[in-house]
Amino acid sequence: AQSVTQPDIHITVSEGASLELRCNYSYGATPYLFWYVQSPGQGLQLLLKYFSGDTLVQGIKGFEAEFKRSQSSFNLRKPSVHWSDAAEYFCAVGLFNNAGNMLTFGGGTRLMVKP
Amino acid sequence: DTEVTQTPKHLVMGMTNKKSLKCEQHMGHRAMYWYKQKAKKPPELMFVYSYEKLSINESVPSRFSPECPNSSLLNLHLHALQPEDSALYLCASSQDQEAGGPTDTQYFGPGTRLTVL
Repeated sequence: AQSVTQPDIHITVSEGASLELRCNYSYGATPYLFWYVQSPGQGLQLLLKYFSGDTLVQGIKGFEAEFKRSQSSFNLRKPSVHWSDAAEYFCAVGLFNNAGNMLTFGGGTRLMVKP
Repeated sequence: DTEVTQTPKHLVMGMTNKKSLKCEQHMGHRAMYWYKQKAKKPPELMFVYSYEKLSINESVPSRFSPECPNSSLLNLHLHALQPEDSALYLCASSQDQEAGGPTDTQYFGPGTRLTVL
């Protein structure tokens, strides 16, 4: 069965500093990977996704992620964090079977930004 | 436009009440989803509709009853809920899971915050 692990429950960075959020997946086939962000009390917003091709993918709000098959990782990065980036970040892997399309989410990483 | 709307934004109900959550999208998507999210946890899939037919029910208790009247609308009918059902209920939609498979990207609404007293 597929699974997603986000090793860091909380991360605090200073505004303007760089950011890397870790995501590791376990999946037997080609993974379909997503990063979503959730502001407090809000729904999930898609940041970026990886299906195939270039392993470095660009997303919205200045985020990027790199797929590394050898490390089973799909880490999210941003060169300079803004206070508005404070939120919960979820990595997810997509699975499609006879029943339909399902997302398996990691446990999430809460990002706090210091002024 | 990738907007999914949900109403109401907040709902407080007693354990004997009957209420409904509503989700709407006008993107022409043919798959719609209900998720439940407890505080500080990731969303958990409840139901999936594809072409207005229920395709996935993740062993959800019968006090939750989904309905998909048309391709743009998804309801979740609630009856005799328990306090532990208090959560954020998220709706999502995707273009066509049967054609797109795992590349079919889900877009989420803002959620309904449900409190059961």
